[in-house]
Amino acid sequence: DGGITQSPKYLFRKEGQNVTLSCEQNLNHDAMYWYRQDPGQGLRLIYYSQIVNDFQKGDIAEGYSVSREKKESFPLTVTSAQKNPTAFYLCASSNRQEPTDTQYFGPGTRLTVL
Amino acid sequence: GQSLEQPSEVTAVEGAIVQINCTYQTSGFYGLSWYQQHDGGAPTFLSYNALDGLEETGRFSSFLSRSDSYGYLLLQELQMKDSASYFCAVDTGGFKTIFGAGTRLFVKA
Repeated sequence: DGGITQSPKYLFRKEGQNVTLSCEQNLNHDAMYWYRQDPGQGLRLIYYSQIVNDFQKGDIAEGYSVSREKKESFPLTVTSAQKNPTAFYLCASSNRQEPTDTQYFGPGTRLTVL
Repeated sequence: GQSLEQPSEVTAVEGAIVQINCTYQTSGFYGLSWYQQHDGGAPTFLSYNALDGLEETGRFSSFLSRSDSYGYLLLQELQMKDSASYFCAVDTGGFKTIFGAGTRLFVKA
């Protein structure tokens, strides 16, 4: 089955620590995205990547970093510079060849800073 | 700035019809999408409107008026499993999609 996987589902971190969230897709999509969701709010774009070895900042990139060394993988690092990292993180991918802007989401990682 | 407005909550009874509205103000517009998200889950794509008019997919329909910067999602024959959050989202082009804050739908028996 094709899809997007994210791990871990729940993650706890102490203040001052960096943590990396995994995102893998086998949909053969070029575009991948990271979003942050806070309670009662919509999705805010952190970073996106149109193609391997390329990525762009979204609306709330400060305190985060990404890499795109492989088409299938788009890991997100939450650094200690992110002031309020506790949130639900969603990874998505899309095929920009489709006429619709369909984004396929992973199950998410819930990060809690202790 | 760019913004999407949708009601925060809607309540309806099982079997009824409910409409969730979305108005948008964005610098670019290619289309309006709708996503469903159950608590703790991932958003799933429901529909996409690039042109004015109504798109129907089973019990769900979506409408767009580009001149009014307005769209809505219509859910018919409501079922308990439809209780979820619904997000409208604007494809602004350039790989950036702007999401609304979501409408939480409560379906009562």
